[in-house]
Amino acid sequence: GAGVSQSPSNKVTEKGKDVELRCDPISGHTALYWYRQSLGQGLEFLIYFQGNSAPDKSGLPSDRFSAERTGGSVSTLTIQRTQQEDSAVYLCASSHLPSRFSQATYEQYFGPGTRLTVT
Amino acid sequence: DQQVKQNSPSLSVQEGRISILNCDYTNSMFDYFLWYKKYPAEGPTFLISISSIKDKNEDGRFTVFLNKSAKHLSLHIVPSQPGDSAVYFCAASGPSNTGNQFYFGTGTSLTVIP
Repeated sequence: GAGVSQSPSNKVTEKGKDVELRCDPISGHTALYWYRQSLGQGLEFLIYFQGNSAPDKSGLPSDRFSAERTGGSVSTLTIQRTQQEDSAVYLCASSHLPSRFSQATYEQYFGPGTRLTVT
Repeated sequence: DQQVKQNSPSLSVQEGRISILNCDYTNSMFDYFLWYKKYPAEGPTFLISISSIKDKNEDGRFTVFLNKSAKHLSLHIVPSQPGDSAVYFCAASGPSNTGNQFYFGTGTSLTVIP
């Protein structure tokens, strides 16, 4: 079946503009994650969805960042009033609902990412 | 503060030899560890994992070793192949984290020389 897809693949925007990034997870995956990777940095956790709810928003860097998920499927990450430090690759991943009893459920499948450049 | 560290940004190995990638963590509550492989312009792909009840997990050419007392894990690839050239990320998670949050290292870029 299809993997995780993200759009757009590349986005160049001017400082101060809003951007919206989209993630289509693998069908049937209950859990969805957003990460970002800045140049020279590791993957930074942003937010986690379980179904449509986000029990863990601890990684969102500021109140300019928000995310939603509808229908237990598509998720959008919105960055308002973008700043140059927001430039990064934003990665989405999905998995079955995490369970401590099944190693397989921990495997996160990643999309190809959206490269965001704020000029 | 980086809870998962990969102190070697890059590694070069001759084809056929062993590649050893290292990862250190600071949180003793972490109990699940994964390695991901990432090619340019692609998302990371899952490679191998290990839970804290084990000290070794093997899958073909890939073996992950976990030393809980040292808070250290390593990925061994043997024999290394040119197609293994990629960036390798280690990640960790623990029961104290709600939402299955994973902490990733900064990655090690492996180059396997033919």
